[in-house]
Amino acid sequence: AIQMTQSPPSLSASVGDRVTITCRASEDIGNELGWYQQKRGKAPKFLIYAASTSYIGVPARFSASGSGTDFTLTINGLQPEDFATYYCLQDSYYPRTFGQGTKVEIK
Amino acid sequence: EEQMVESGGGLVQFGGSLRLSCAASGFMFGNYWMTWVRQVPGKGLEWVANIKRDASVSHYLDSVRDRFSISRDNAKNSLYLQMNSLRDEDTGVYYCVRDVSPKSGGRYYDAFDLWGQGTLVTVSS
Repeated sequence: AIQMTQSPPSLSASVGDRVTITCRASEDIGNELGWYQQKRGKAPKFLIYAASTSYIGVPARFSASGSGTDFTLTINGLQPEDFATYYCLQDSYYPRTFGQGTKVEIK
Repeated sequence: EEQMVESGGGLVQFGGSLRLSCAASGFMFGNYWMTWVRQVPGKGLEWVANIKRDASVSHYLDSVRDRFSISRDNAKNSLYLQMNSLRDEDTGVYYCVRDVSPKSGGRYYDAFDLWGQGTLVTVSS
């Protein structure tokens, strides 16, 4: 199975900061990657598909890029509601695999 | 309102069986691929299985392939997960998930846009 490695596992940031999360695939997955946000005690929320395409209603401060094996999710101007855990998910091969998550905490 | 409600979770002994159900409402259930995702409380997400709109195709996580079976009944707007020979590592919250499968550049992508509230499965040894 494709291994997805996210870094860092956690980070501390302040409101207004720019935050970047990376996700690395163990094999080339083209642009077949999505990003999800999960707040404590809640189901995940879908953010990005095709590595860089924002889903409907996702704030413009969320952007993503990458292809092949290396991908990034960037939050420009972190807002209080953005403190959460973020997961990448590859949808190039079965079984689908998530990264282990990156927890964004308040500094 | 679009929603999905899981049921059927609970405490089960090692080697036992459970059948999870997911009742969908507020949307055309038969138009979507559906997926089960699980999560050990406090841990990460794990994709478990998915099934095509007409139930003709399904895929599984390697560790559950010979033990779990995903199915659906489009007439009843329902998704199921039959889980047999349960192990400790199957413990977790199981989410029923809708895949809107957006198309871009001639390819369909996974896009899990609607999630149920989850049902907790606890396997006791």
